[in-house]
Parts: sequence; C-alpha cells; structure tokens
Amino acid sequence: DAKTTQPTSMDCAEGRAANLPCNHSTISGNEYVYWYRQIHSQGPQYIIHGLKNNETNEMASLIITEDRKSSTLILPHATLRDTAVYYCIVRVVDDYKLSFGAGTTVTVRA
Amino acid sequence: DTAVSQTPKYLVTQMGNDKSIKCEQNLGHDTMYWYKQDSKKFLKIMFSYNNKELIINETVPNRFSPKSPDKAHLNLHINSLELGDSAVYFCASSQDMAGVGETQYFGPGTRLLVL
Repeated sequence: DAKTTQPTSMDCAEGRAANLPCNHSTISGNEYVYWYRQIHSQGPQYIIHGLKNNETNEMASLIITEDRKSSTLILPHATLRDTAVYYCIVRVVDDYKLSFGAGTTVTVRA
Repeated sequence: DTAVSQTPKYLVTQMGNDKSIKCEQNLGHDTMYWYKQDSKKFLKIMFSYNNKELIINETVPNRFSPKSPDKAHLNLHINSLELGDSAVYFCASSQDMAGVGETQYFGPGTRLLVL
C-alpha cells in the first residue's frame, strides 16, 4: 500500500468546516483512499472512501485531486463530537487489511 | 444493538497467565479481524478469519491463538502473557474480505494490562 502523510494535529471551530489534508503521492491506479476516525476510547469508525471522483455521504465529503496524489476530507459543520483521530488509508481494492498510520488528531473547539 | 461486541472491556493480569478475549458480531458478516493498538496508538492487524477459516496471520507470536467457533465469533486466546502484550485489542468485521467499499466495523476494544 502507498504511504500517506497527514498533519499531526489540527484545531477547528465548532460549526465551521474542517478540512483534513492527506498526501499519497505514490498511490497506484488500483488503490482507493479510505478515511476512518477513532474517537477517544472507541474503536475506529468508517467515514468515506473514493477512487478518483469526489464523494459525499452523510458524514463527510472526500475531494481527491485529479492526479490522485492528495485528498481532503471535509467535515462540513464540525461539532464537538467530531473530536477524534482521523486516519487516511490507501488500500488496494482486494486487500484484506487496513494499514493505519498515525493520523491527524482533530480537536473541535467551542 | 451493538454490532461488534467484545468482552471483557478491561483485563488486568499477571505475567505468565493465560487469558481470552471474546468477540461477537451480529451483522451477519463473513470476515472478522483482530487488531492491536499499542501505547503509541498505532493500530496493526493481527489476524483475519473468513467463514471460520484463518486467512491472515501477520507474524504474530504463536502465543496468540485465534479461534472462530462460528462466523459470528472470533475469540483471541493469549498464552504466557508478557509485559509487551499490554495494549488495546480491537475486533472488527466486514461483509467480505475485500472489495470496493468493503468497510470494517470495529468493536469497542479490550484494554489489556499485564503486570
């Protein structure tokens, strides 16, 4: 799997959009970008995934650059409950496992 | 209803003991996993089972023995516990092993402390 690079931490204001960047410059054509998050003392939670098109679901939006070397997870209206570690994971479609990095610790402040 | 449940939530034990952690999923999934999250918070896969069969063993010491009595359960037995086994162990499940959009659902974790 390609490696990903994420900022160690970031703060955002409650009610504002949170934009979480991820670099995956060595991604290959059959690798998807997945985002999970881990709220303190809980198990990881799936957020969204995509290949090359932008994706949106009830939790977030995923914007993938045209060259696929980076992506941004957008939480449109961050709440205090969104405070968590966010993991950007690149995964081959038929791979069995998720390889978690250090992630970005996101703190939403009132 | 809890989709993926683990027991116990906390486990404190002495070095050298043998302990088990249980995992159950009520999602009807075919694949289950065990992950370990160490003190540095890195999550690493340990095992994967598909339809009760071991698929993946990520170079885990053979003191760790997963057992899957049926598709809904994947238990983790650890022999001769060592200090370095202290960690949070997460169970997860997915509908199948892989594929586009295959997402994994995680349990709440079992916090193991070996003294």
